Amino acid sequence: AQKITQTQPGMFVQEKEAVTLDCTYDTSDPSYGLFWYKQPSSGEMIFLIYQGSYDQQNATEGRYSLNFQKARKSANLVISASQLGDSAMYFCAMSGGYQKVTFGTGTKLQVIP
Amino acid sequence: DGGITQSPKYLFRKEGQNVTLSCEQNLNHDAMYWYRQDPGQGLRLIYYSQIVNDFQKGDIAEGYSVSREKKESFPLTVTSDQKNPTAFYLCASSIKDRRGEKLFFGSGTQLSVL
Repeated sequence: AQKITQTQPGMFVQEKEAVTLDCTYDTSDPSYGLFWYKQPSSGEMIFLIYQGSYDQQNATEGRYSLNFQKARKSANLVISASQLGDSAMYFCAMSGGYQKVTFGTGTKLQVIP
Repeated sequence: DGGITQSPKYLFRKEGQNVTLSCEQNLNHDAMYWYRQDPGQGLRLIYYSQIVNDFQKGDIAEGYSVSREKKESFPLTVTSDQKNPTAFYLCASSIKDRRGEKLFFGSGTQLSVL
């Protein structure tokens, strides 16, 4: 079975600073995908970034990058130059094999002016 | 403008009443999903459908029912058997490529009990 673990219920970061949100995973599938979603107070889930298990390079999307360490089974999200609009819940998720997409419990990020 | 539309945004249910949440997508995706989110928690899978006229139970299907008569539509009924229905409900559809499955979400429906 797949499992996603996010150990940081809440995080604070100063505006314009970088922040890392932790995510570890467990799966027996050799091929899988890892995702990060942002959920602002409005409730919608916004796709941020994707990393495939066979991708050689870490994924980047603008200010978002995914620090993928396969041996450690970690897929941390790095947000550079934090903005006030980055304040939201962030969910790590994975898909693989015949398993449906599994979500972590989320990290609430608050950006301080 | 492609996407997933959920309605209504807010819904109130009286005790003993069945209510139906709508989810429509124009992304031409085969797979659709319903998730439940309780305050401060992650998403739990209720039902999913990989293809028209077929659907499977997720982790917390009791008290819910779905149908998939059209590719574009995947309505969720919260029945009177669901004793704790107050939650935020998210519908999603997905696309698979060689790298995996990627979910696209609607804006959600907040269901509350009167």
